[in-house]
Amino acid sequence: DVKVTQSSRYLVKRTGEKVFLECVQDMDHENMFWYRQDPGLGLRLIYFSYDVKMKEKGDIPEGYSVSREKKERFSLILESASTNQTSMYLCASSVNRGLQETQYFGPGTRLLVL
Amino acid sequence: DAKTTQPTSMDCAEGRAANLPCNHSTISGNEYVYWYRQIHSQGPQYIIHGLKNNETNEMASLIITEDRKSSTLILPHATLRDTAVYYCIVKIGTGFQKLVFGTGTRLLVSP
Repeated sequence: DVKVTQSSRYLVKRTGEKVFLECVQDMDHENMFWYRQDPGLGLRLIYFSYDVKMKEKGDIPEGYSVSREKKERFSLILESASTNQTSMYLCASSVNRGLQETQYFGPGTRLLVL
Repeated sequence: DAKTTQPTSMDCAEGRAANLPCNHSTISGNEYVYWYRQIHSQGPQYIIHGLKNNETNEMASLIITEDRKSSTLILPHATLRDTAVYYCIVKIGTGFQKLVFGTGTRLLVSP
């Protein structure tokens, strides 16, 4: 079974703090993604990576950065947390097999910024 | 991206089959139909996907009409743990493509 794990299920931080969200997958997938999910706004892509040390901006990268030093690990960094970054953060990974690319998600991190 | 239309909510009795429909009338020839579900406060879970043939795995069956304009996800023997929001998505199979979830179908399985 594909396994994607995230470092925390719940996190409470204060405005201005630097926040690290870690994601690890154990299936040797090339692609990794960070999304956030908010009521009424659905799933929105923050950043993705298709290889070690490679990163691409998604639709809402402002206020975030990412790091992929190892193939299995993709970190999301909130440089200076703000209340509008309170959200559910979802990590996913995928591999391209022939004509099919399927994304598998972690359990999510619910972040509250006070 | 092709848009999908799903009923807002459905009910199913435990042990019965749950049939969740999805319309995707503007689907392109190279787009797959994917199904995910999300149990409250958890990450989305991949269920199944297909191009034009019917597919079955340990979780569900996917029936795609011959014209590919609609599909049905079948949970053959629904359990209480199948209560979730089910999302039907169409996307190109190759390469990376961000996932866009619509509002989905909220399935409630009752005893």
